[in-house]
Amino acid sequence: GNSVTQMEGPVTLSEEAFLTINCTYTATGYPSLFWYVQYPGEGLQLLLKATKADDKGSNKGFEATYRKETTSFHLEKGSVQVSDSAVYFCALSDGGYQKVTFGTGTKLQVIP
Amino acid sequence: GAVVSQHPSRVICKSGTSVKIECRSLDFQATTMFWYRQFPKQSLMLMATSNEGSKATYEQGVEKDKFLINHASLTLSTLTVTSAHPEDSSFYICSARPLGGVQETQYFGPGTRLLVL
Repeated sequence: GNSVTQMEGPVTLSEEAFLTINCTYTATGYPSLFWYVQYPGEGLQLLLKATKADDKGSNKGFEATYRKETTSFHLEKGSVQVSDSAVYFCALSDGGYQKVTFGTGTKLQVIP
Repeated sequence: GAVVSQHPSRVICKSGTSVKIECRSLDFQATTMFWYRQFPKQSLMLMATSNEGSKATYEQGVEKDKFLINHASLTLSTLTVTSAHPEDSSFYICSARPLGGVQETQYFGPGTRLLVL
């Protein structure tokens, strides 16, 4: 079956540091890939997505590239802010069906 | 943007009692709602998918008689944990797909933390 593996947290960074959160997946077929973010006390929000190999999703300074050869979708941001502190979930959806498979989430804490 | 609410946000109950959790789409109609469960340091696990006016589809290993799901309208789905036991303690999250929305679009609620004593 499908699965998503992401790095364990928490990840603690200073403001303006470079962020990478690793995510790899296992899936049959050609899934769509997502990053969701959950701010404290709020529901998950879609951060970015990519639907096919080599696509790059981007939003709010975050980027992730769909790498089929390495089955990865690592999240990056060049300069994090305190407001980026949240839990980040990598996820995939198998094409044509609505089921989304999530990773365990990575908590990011950015300190001033 | 689209907002999904859940009520209650936290609930503590005694073993053997039933607990109902509501999931509402506040500013859109949802043909499909999903219920997830999350254990500490684990991923969200899909429990069931519910479509308005029809029976829910449960994932393998989820007891449908224990986790009753009702999707009576296009803006409300409820999850009832019947005869709750301590092992049912968890974080329950719902999501909703807008009517006519893209296949993979889901808006999530903030979750309900259930503690069964």
